Amino acid sequence: QQQVKQSPQSLIVQKGGISIINCAYENTAFDYFPWYQQFPGKGPALLIAIRPDVSEKKEGRFTISFNKSAKQFSLHIMDSQPGDSATYFCAASMGTSGSRLTFGEGTQLTVNP
Amino acid sequence: SAVISQKPSRDICQRGTSLTIQCQVDSQVTMMFWYRQQPGQSLTLIATANQGSEATYESGFVIDKFPISRPNLTFSTLTVSNMSPEDSSIYLCSVYGGTAFFGQGTRLTVV
Repeated sequence: QQQVKQSPQSLIVQKGGISIINCAYENTAFDYFPWYQQFPGKGPALLIAIRPDVSEKKEGRFTISFNKSAKQFSLHIMDSQPGDSATYFCAASMGTSGSRLTFGEGTQLTVNP
Repeated sequence: SAVISQKPSRDICQRGTSLTIQCQVDSQVTMMFWYRQQPGQSLTLIATANQGSEATYESGFVIDKFPISRPNLTFSTLTVSNMSPEDSSIYLCSVYGGTAFFGQGTRLTVV
């Protein structure tokens, strides 16, 4: 059973544009929601994470928006750059943060120069 | 952050054989995890390996197929047994250290 649904599957944006990736979860026991960035041939790297007690978290050009009532969260990449081209995964876990992660399907982002 | 080294980084194996993947961490960690990433797909947790206890497997994964060892707080191995082409995937080691950190993965191709 897929507990975290991610969309879109692929995304193409122009340099300087905003990239938006959305995720929805089913299990209300989830209490930790990280986003990972993965380049080809590399393992996923933590980008930013949020807990449900806040509605938004910003780190540089990356922002997570969280809607607890809708059980949705999204990643916004401002001023997207070609170097941001990668696969992005949302994930969720419960209890100890970062353990036993349930991942979304992934979004392949391409930022054109 | 934790630095995780996986060996081998890639391998091509014959069906019916087994491959053992090693995961070495630069610091002591209680919880280690093994994930599978099938081609072009997401990551799926195989099992959780805690030092001093049997690994805990997720639904759909069994110890006979994916035996795991965790001899100390910095090392673990995952064996993919009796391989078939369907086992062709990237296998990733992950550790918990405030959040989850991943190794670079082992790309396995079974022919």
